[in-house]
Amino acid sequence: SAVISQKPSRDICQRGTSLTIQCQVDSQVTMMFWYRQQPGQSLTLIATANQGSEATYESGFVIDKFPISRPNLTFSTLTVSNMSPEDSSIYLCSVVRDSSYEQYFGPGTRLTVT
Amino acid sequence: AQSVAQPEDQVNVAEGNPLTVKCTYSVSGNPYLFWYVQYPNRGLQFLLKYITGDNLVKGSYGFEAEFNKSQTSFHLKKPSALVSDSALYFCAVRVASGYSTLTFGKGTMLLVSP
Repeated sequence: SAVISQKPSRDICQRGTSLTIQCQVDSQVTMMFWYRQQPGQSLTLIATANQGSEATYESGFVIDKFPISRPNLTFSTLTVSNMSPEDSSIYLCSVVRDSSYEQYFGPGTRLTVT
Repeated sequence: AQSVAQPEDQVNVAEGNPLTVKCTYSVSGNPYLFWYVQYPNRGLQFLLKYITGDNLVKGSYGFEAEFNKSQTSFHLKKPSALVSDSALYFCAVRVASGYSTLTFGKGTMLLVSP
């Protein structure tokens, strides 16, 4: 398995501001992802965080709104920019370590935008 | 495109009785299948996976799932439910070859009554 930590665990932010979420893994992983889970909904993939290059975004998500960094194999950040109440969600970091195909999730960051 | 269907929003079962949470999938090619559990205010926990081999896979906490290729199903089962099994369960699929990300079902809430 993988031990994944996220900071902050929760936050309440004002409309128009930005929040950066950090994801730290206890050891090197091959792939890192960011998901969003809106209230009462399933998980939606935002992007794949690529080490040393631009993230790969899924349809409906853009870099200007959700800039992502991955400077090394154990750390990534997701920024939620110019927030609106519709961005209120749980944001989850996820990793795949190796060929086991098992994908692990962090505890999530619960974001409320007022 | 790949998709997952969890036809039941909620499953109710009495403690000690067997439980089944249903999942069907659609992928172009061979599937890798997963079950995750989410407890309140917690991240997703990996339960079990099917990659290849025996169609019956066993996972954490006494859960098992059966891969049925002809019915494109991967139902989650447990012979004897516990109250502590009450949680939100997600089925997920990815295609077996090449680069592919996980697609999640909408989730099924399992409620086990004492």
